[in-house]
Amino acid sequence: EIVLTQSPGTLSLSPGESATLSCRASQRISSNFLAWYQHKSGQAPRLLIYHASTRATGIPDRFSGSGSGTDFTLTISRLEPEDFAVYYCQQYILLPLSFGGGTKVEIQ
Amino acid sequence: EVQLLESGGDLVQPGGSLGLSCVASGFTFSSSGIAWVRQAPGKGLEWVSTISGSGADTYYADSVKGRFSISRDNSRNTLILQMNSLRAEDTAVYFCAKGKRAAAGYYFESWGPGTLVTVSS
Repeated sequence: EIVLTQSPGTLSLSPGESATLSCRASQRISSNFLAWYQHKSGQAPRLLIYHASTRATGIPDRFSGSGSGTDFTLTISRLEPEDFAVYYCQQYILLPLSFGGGTKVEIQ
Repeated sequence: EVQLLESGGDLVQPGGSLGLSCVASGFTFSSSGIAWVRQAPGKGLEWVSTISGSGADTYYADSVKGRFSISRDNSRNTLILQMNSLRAEDTAVYFCAKGKRAAAGYYFESWGPGTLVTVSS
């Protein structure tokens, strides 16, 4: 089973700043089969990034994903008010599928 | 536009059973793997189960294996999760999600808003 560890648990930032979120895997994720989601309370989660760095349809270019192997990063440049949410990474190379514990990006 | 809408969430006693449904529209349902993902109160997302487009292949998290059963009716664009022997730790919002196949797993392109299951006496 692949365990995903996200850090930090919470990021306190202001609109216009940049956010860097980390996702570390307990074993190598080949083919970069890692996705990122945004989730706001009471809403459906939204796919942001798949294959570690490919933006999903309709996702603004201020969201970018990078990394390989065991270390992956989601960067949000120029935070907009609607970007404050919880972000999860998910691996899909192996069953059981697994999510990280999440990073909350909150308004400072 | 892809739409997924879950229903069936309720309050149920420990040891009880409950069935959840997810009705889909806006895509070729029979061509897509679909999953259930849950979120317990104050916790993160947890994958529960996935079924292939044809329904021939099903996968479960260890935490629900033997208690939950996933199925689909492609003629009605409907996904079902039958939950038996429910425990307090099954309390969560249950989301259905449209999957995109890659290797052994799926990532999830579209999600429903979720339905709340509460297991309590």
